Amino acid sequence: SQQGEEDPQALSIQEGENATMNCSYKTSINNLQWYRQNSGRGLVHLILIRSNEREKHSGRLRVTLDTSKKSSSLLITASRAADTASYFCATGPFSGGYNKLIFGAGTRLAVHP
Amino acid sequence: GAVVSQHPSWVICKSGTSVKIECRSLDFQATTMFWYRQFPKQSLMLMATSNEGSKATYEQGVEKDKFLINHASLTLSTLTVTSAHPEDSSFYICSAERGVTNTEAFFGQGTRLTVV
Repeated sequence: SQQGEEDPQALSIQEGENATMNCSYKTSINNLQWYRQNSGRGLVHLILIRSNEREKHSGRLRVTLDTSKKSSSLLITASRAADTASYFCATGPFSGGYNKLIFGAGTRLAVHP
Repeated sequence: GAVVSQHPSWVICKSGTSVKIECRSLDFQATTMFWYRQFPKQSLMLMATSNEGSKATYEQGVEKDKFLINHASLTLSTLTVTSAHPEDSSFYICSAERGVTNTEAFFGQGTRLTVV
């Protein structure tokens, strides 16, 4: 069953603006990962944050994790039209398989030039 | 970087026929592979966990006799959709673990299956 809920479901912004996507989950996790998917294509791994970490950065990406609230956020700074895609969070379980991922519903991001 | 290749990228088949999808780890050994399904405009749903040399573990609601998984080697897992029906039309995607503790899995590019 799907674990994560993401909001917003869709986000439309202008180039240069920041985009923030949120993800909530229900059970204990070992890790949380964010992926990007261009329409009809495969997944691109963006960042992995472990349950004992609170924040990670990678280029224009910033991910936070609050295990007490069972939530995570993905911030894309200075967005570009090429960032237009669907973004998914996925949680790896506390036990039973580090990469046995449960995906959130996803956020469809549209960045307009 | 680790590369996972999935083949075919897309396939169209007639109702009642079977389709095999391959997932290969090209530059690493994958003790565990995962198979997901994604319907249009929806998220990915885990179908099964495939372990080399043993039977796959299926998620609740996934018919093991319909979705046959074989993980015959450390670099290859196959998913066969048997007696396909139009409702099986979907995007199927695999991922593979390198076997290094607590690291990310790597995804194939996916297979779009259309059953007509």
